Amino acid sequence: DAGITQSPRHKVTETGTPVTLRCHQTENHRYMYWYRQDPGHGLRLIHYSYGVKDTDKGEVSDGYSVSRSKTEDFLLTLESATSSQTSVYFCAIQPGQGETQYFGPGTRLLVL
Amino acid sequence: KQEVTQIPAALSVPEGENLVLNCSFTDSAIYNLQWFRQDPGKGLTSLLLIQSSQREQTSGRLNASLDKSSGRSTLYIAASQPGDSATYLCAGSSGYALNFGKGTSLLVTP
Repeated sequence: DAGITQSPRHKVTETGTPVTLRCHQTENHRYMYWYRQDPGHGLRLIHYSYGVKDTDKGEVSDGYSVSRSKTEDFLLTLESATSSQTSVYFCAIQPGQGETQYFGPGTRLLVL
Repeated sequence: KQEVTQIPAALSVPEGENLVLNCSFTDSAIYNLQWFRQDPGKGLTSLLLIQSSQREQTSGRLNASLDKSSGRSTLYIAASQPGDSATYLCAGSSGYALNFGKGTSLLVTP
């Protein structure tokens, strides 16, 4: 299995608070992604990174920001959490464009 | 944007049956297509990746095909087992990110 971890694995927070989710890889892969998974919508891309300090927006980026200061870490921040951001968040890594994406175990976030 | 559809949404079969899961996509300029398995409450496990230049890929009892001209991919599972019960997702890429279908929930009964 690809060396990819996510933390925390579960989090409950209140509306309006900032939240940061961490994705850590030990594979030295160039590409990293954040997706969210919701019933009825499937998985949707939030943000992705194609190198250190190189990031871009995905389909559902509003209310989220990301940072990648090291190859191994990709952080997702909810600037001011809302109930609509209650979801399961998955990180994925990819060695090169067009290659297999490997997914982390996910973070379950509940915003009250 | 690449739209991906999976039919059926749910499927129940008896153990030992061969089965086919279907995936369709709208953009024929697809870069590659990937099939995943997801167990309840778990992450995604990559099963097969088919590049746009390929017609099929095989791994054990799994065979995935890709037909760009018709916008379709199929995942064939031979001699199904109860352990194959899971949700199967297909995802197409036209660039960096994957565009996912909503999945087919498979139940294989003993």
